[in-house]
Amino acid sequence: QVQLQESGPGLVKPSETLSLNCTVSDGSMNSFYWTWIRQPPGKGLEWIGYVSDNGNTNYNPSLKSRVTMSLDTTINQFSLKLRSMTAADTAVYFCVRGLPLQPGDFFDYWGQGTLVTVSS
Amino acid sequence: DIQMTQSPSSLSASVGDRVSMTCRASQNIGNYVNWYQQKPGKAPKLLIYAASNLQSRVPSRFSGSGSGTDFTLTISSLQVEDFATYFCQQSFTTPETFGPGTTVDIK
Repeated sequence: QVQLQESGPGLVKPSETLSLNCTVSDGSMNSFYWTWIRQPPGKGLEWIGYVSDNGNTNYNPSLKSRVTMSLDTTINQFSLKLRSMTAADTAVYFCVRGLPLQPGDFFDYWGQGTLVTVSS
Repeated sequence: DIQMTQSPSSLSASVGDRVSMTCRASQNIGNYVNWYQQKPGKAPKLLIYAASNLQSRVPSRFSGSGSGTDFTLTISSLQVEDFATYFCQQSFTTPETFGPGTTVDIK
């Protein structure tokens, strides 16, 4: 059974950079889109983007100028960096496995989510 | 961006009821719609992919239909554990986008 687990700070100061990692257990990282999705408290889901197994990335244009994703298959981990954080970035951040349909995909395994609050 | 809308935003139903909810895309997206169930404080769970394909280990009372711009998720006989919020998501093009959700609560 594939498991994903987010790790990182729960509190970030305005203007700082958020760094989150996601560790993938019991599964290969090959042939998937390793995705980040966020959900502000009480609101809907926002796709941030993905990094594929070959390192290609695809970001939401609304966040593209501030986002970097990467992965390290040797330790079964992928990561998200989001720069210049503001209160509007306060959300639960989910790491997710995307299974490609070519085109398209679907999200079959999710981490439990980690709440990130932006506050001084 | 492709906008996804869902209706109704909420509905009340009883155990055993047949429940349907709809999702509409702002443009033709073929069959590239997925459906998720989310309970409070939990991550979403995949129910249906590519409009009508039941994800492994999801009960057969869940079904999906539609293509183009209009899609439907149906629960044939609502169970206690089905009270939750349901989101549709398009993967036809990036940025992938989600609908605002339909919340199913107990009548």
